[in-house]
Amino acid sequence: GAVVSEHPSWVICKSGTSVKIECRSLDFQATTMFWYRQFPKQSLMLMATSNEGSKATYEQGVEKDKFLINHASLTLSTLTVTSAHPEDSSFYICSASRLTYEQYFGPGTRLTVT
Amino acid sequence: GQQLNQSPQSMFIQEGEDVSMNCTSSSIFNTWLWYKQEPGEGPVLLIALYKAGELTSNGRLTAQFGITRKDSFLNISASIPSDVGIYFCAPGGAQKLVFGQGTRLTINP
Repeated sequence: GAVVSEHPSWVICKSGTSVKIECRSLDFQATTMFWYRQFPKQSLMLMATSNEGSKATYEQGVEKDKFLINHASLTLSTLTVTSAHPEDSSFYICSASRLTYEQYFGPGTRLTVT
Repeated sequence: GQQLNQSPQSMFIQEGEDVSMNCTSSSIFNTWLWYKQEPGEGPVLLIALYKAGELTSNGRLTAQFGITRKDSFLNISASIPSDVGIYFCAPGGAQKLVFGQGTRLTINP
């Protein structure tokens, strides 16, 4: 149990375009979903916390107008990177939890902006 | 601000050796989780600790939640090649996790 999927697993887009990443909890209902980004050889940095049906809570320094998060159901959250630039290239990982601190991570999405 | 230190940053060991890594914090946390991440993948939960002083095992892995709630260690006994990866401590508070800098484990066969 506790399987989380992300789609796509990798994406290449041109500068100025927008990219949507989906995160799904496949075998459980997630009360909360989290979005992280990870640069090469670095740790995971929390971007935002998302609860179903409510607005996401963004960490300090993360632009909420650039990284749009929608949490439409207990099994689906999406992250849209708007007007992407090369510096947005990174590994984006989502996780899901169900009423505890234990977070179950998806396989991640590698975004490359050219 | 809150400081979280994970050490060592990297380890190069021989297969069969035991491994020990730890995390210390300037803040008190309600839980300590340990994750393993392999290249190009998301982290996988190894052990979750919820009570100060708690010692928990998962196969060859053993972790303890420090009595002060500001630290935790992870031990791996009799390492095997598939233990290679990056190990992260992730203490939790305020309904979210803080990730350590990671310990990169390399094993020589």
